[in-house]
Amino acid sequence: EADIYQTPRYLVIGTGKKITLECSQTMGHDKMYWYQQDPGMELHLIHYSYGVNSTEKGDLSSESTVSRIRTEHFPLTLESARPSHTSQYLCASSEEASGNTIYFGEGSWLTVV
Amino acid sequence: AQSVTQPDIHITVSEGASLELRCNYSYGATPYLFWYVQSPGQGLQLLLKYFSGDTLVQGIKGFEAEFKRSQSSFNLRKPSVHWSDAAEYFCAVGVYAGNQFYFGTGTSLTVIP
Repeated sequence: EADIYQTPRYLVIGTGKKITLECSQTMGHDKMYWYQQDPGMELHLIHYSYGVNSTEKGDLSSESTVSRIRTEHFPLTLESARPSHTSQYLCASSEEASGNTIYFGEGSWLTVV
Repeated sequence: AQSVTQPDIHITVSEGASLELRCNYSYGATPYLFWYVQSPGQGLQLLLKYFSGDTLVQGIKGFEAEFKRSQSSFNLRKPSVHWSDAAEYFCAVGVYAGNQFYFGTGTSLTVIP
């Protein structure tokens, strides 16, 4: 079982608020990812990182930003939340030693009202 | 371009019946292949993976999958479905070069008594 943790699991916030979704992994994986997923829908990669100080935008454009100051930590920030940001956000990590197997956290459900 | 296709959006099976979920991929070489399961409100859990060797791989929860190079397929099977198997199932392809990962759109499984 993978050790990757996301907080908060559920969050309801008002429009215009700044929020940060936390993601930490204890496996020492170099690569980390953020996916966005609406209920019952496919996953969309919004950010990824190859390692410390590396961040890249994914296939789906997102107004969120990420940082990678430490290997184990990959937070996602929305400076000004809007109702269109309501979704589930899944953090994941992988390493080449495991064939790039991706391991997921439990997800963070964000509702913007 | 690489892609993953799950032709069945939704499948309904009776408890105790056998199950096969289809997955086809498009990639020039043999990729790494994965199946994940997602219960409602949860992250994705790795069921099984194929890197090389024996084309029939065993996973957790009684699932297995068979890689067929000639058909570019990696179908997931279970001989007898349990009600707790109701979930969303995602097939994924990992491309070692470039460290890319592609998910299918998912198949929703309903299990009826």
